Amino acid sequence: QVQLVESGGGVVQPGRSLRLSCAASGFTFSTYGMHWVRQAPGKGLEWVAVISSDGNNNYYADSVRGRFTISRDNSKNTLYLLMNSLTAEDTAVYYCAKGPWALSYPPLYMDVWGKGTTVTVSS
Amino acid sequence: QSALTQPASESGSPGQSITISCTGTSSDVGGYNFVSWYQQHPGKAPKLMIYDVSNRPSGVSNRFSGSKSGNTASLTISGLQAEDEADYYCSSYTGSSTWVFGGGTKLTVL
Repeated sequence: QVQLVESGGGVVQPGRSLRLSCAASGFTFSTYGMHWVRQAPGKGLEWVAVISSDGNNNYYADSVRGRFTISRDNSKNTLYLLMNSLTAEDTAVYYCAKGPWALSYPPLYMDVWGKGTTVTVSS
Repeated sequence: QSALTQPASESGSPGQSITISCTGTSSDVGGYNFVSWYQQHPGKAPKLMIYDVSNRPSGVSNRFSGSKSGNTASLTISGLQAEDEADYYCSSYTGSSTWVFGGGTKLTVL
């Protein structure tokens, strides 16, 4: 079955960096666009970033543009989110989510979600 | 990228129908038929319930339906059940490869 497993979360000091990973299985990862979505404690969902199946197209929310980088390694079936210059406002559960249609861009919605990984930015 | 507007809470009794609204602008909800809805139980990951305004993924109960009029999308849940108690989020494609979510609606089954 389709599965997404995030990892790499933890407690990090303000201004530092962290890289999240999302291991995909049960589908042909290299043919699907992917998203990162986050949820601050007690808050709603916030779209963060998207990447095309080949990794050549990526876009970001205004709140993270210039600080976060989404990437993927299709040989390892893994999605990444590199987060730099972290602030307390980046504290959240980070979910990776799969786009719905193979070889289709943009991935217009998120049809499968991982369970998330928690990032806490605190001194 | 302002969040879509949803009521903070809705409630209904078992067997009743409820509708959750999601209001955006002509740049998102009104401009594209790419509205989706997600259900999230406490401590769990979101689950896709509706895509492309009114389509249900395989496995989602037909008690869930979606619609759109102008800049407002709606999720209707009929025959309310205790298991439907959850948070619900709408989302819309906004063009230029960006997306926006609503603030979420907490559904209580009385």
